[in-house]
Order: sequence, then C-alpha cells, then structure tokens
Amino acid sequence: SAVISQKPSRDICQRGTSLTIQCQVDSQVTMMFWYRQQPGQSLTLIATANQGSEATYESGFVIDKFPISRPNLTFSTLTVSNMSPEDSSIYLCSVDGGAGTYNEQFFGPGTRLTVL
Amino acid sequence: AQSVTQPDIHITVSEGASLELRCNYSYGATPYLFWYVQSPGQGLQLLLKYFSGDTLVQGIKGFEAEFKRSQSSFNLRKPSVHWSDAAEYFCAVGKLSGAGSYQLTFGKGTKLSVIP
Repeated sequence: SAVISQKPSRDICQRGTSLTIQCQVDSQVTMMFWYRQQPGQSLTLIATANQGSEATYESGFVIDKFPISRPNLTFSTLTVSNMSPEDSSIYLCSVDGGAGTYNEQFFGPGTRLTVL
Repeated sequence: AQSVTQPDIHITVSEGASLELRCNYSYGATPYLFWYVQSPGQGLQLLLKYFSGDTLVQGIKGFEAEFKRSQSSFNLRKPSVHWSDAAEYFCAVGKLSGAGSYQLTFGKGTKLSVIP
C-alpha cells in the first residue's frame, strides 16, 4: 500500500490569488493523479502526472489554470491559479500502487479549498 | 465514454439492518469496477474491485458486490450495518490506460447514515 499526505489540509483564499497543494507519498510511485471534488459532486480527474514528463490533462482542464510539478517519484504539486469561487472544491491526489497492488489507486486525505 | 450512476444520494439504515447501494455503469468494453468509501476528513479507501471471473466479489469490512452484466450493475451489499459504516460510498469504473494503470470515472456518491 501507499500512505499519502497532502498540505494544506484546508485553506480559505481570496479570488485572483493562487494556491499550491503538495502531495507526498511514502514510497516511490510512477503515476500520480489529481482529482477535484466539487460540492455535492463526484470526483473528476484533472490530470495524470508521471515523473520526468509533462502532465496529461483531461478535457476541460488546462495547464495555465492547474500547473502541476512532479520533480521526483514521491512528490507532486498542483497549483490552482487565478482562483474564483467556482474553484472551491476538495482536491485529492492519488497514486498508482503498481503491479504489486494490481494497480490499485491510493488516495490522499484531500485539500479543502474555499475561495471567497 | 464511460459513466457511472448512483441513483441514491442519501440512504439511512438502522444499525444491524442490511444494506444495498446501487451502481449502474456505462462502458463499451469489459468494465473494471470499484467501490470506494470516504469517511469524513479521510481519503478514499478501496472496498473491493471486479476485474473478471466470479461475479460476486468480497471486500473489506464485510462488504460484497455483485457484477450483473445484463443489468450493467455493480451493487454493494452488507448483511448487517455497523455505526462505523456511516460514510460516503463511491462506485467507479476504470478504463485501462498506459503503463497498466486505470483511469477512474466516479459516480456522484451515496451518503450512508446509520441510526442506532
């Protein structure tokens, strides 16, 4: 299994500002994912981040709004840029546990973001 | 594109009663199906998954799910609910992507409340 921590756990931000969310894993993993969970909604995949390559974004998400870094095999960041109240959500990172776990995805506790 | 429907937004059951949470999926190929649970302030935890073989799968915490291809369903069941089962439950369908990982599409979730 993989243990994942996220920072911050929650934040309240002003519109127009940016917030960087950190995701730390206790083991080396190849694939990391970032999800958004809007109030009362399902989880939606934002992007897939592999170490050493550019993140792959899903339809409706762009790099300028959600830049992602993946500097090594245990860490990733997601930045929510130029925030508006519509960005208020829970942001979760997950990792692929690899073939040894039958590629189970393990999730972090999430970052609850409120934009005023 | 794949999709998941969880028809019940909120279910309340008495402790000790049986539970069934419904999940219907839409996917063009053989589905990889998952049930996750999210407790308040916690990340998602995998309860069980179906890849192939026996259509009745056993998971953790006494949960089981049955895959019915003819009904495009993957309902989650538990014979006797405990107060600690109160949480939000997400059904997901996985699309196999590169490197053997799964791209997950989630339903909107079902919130379970348990009354003493």
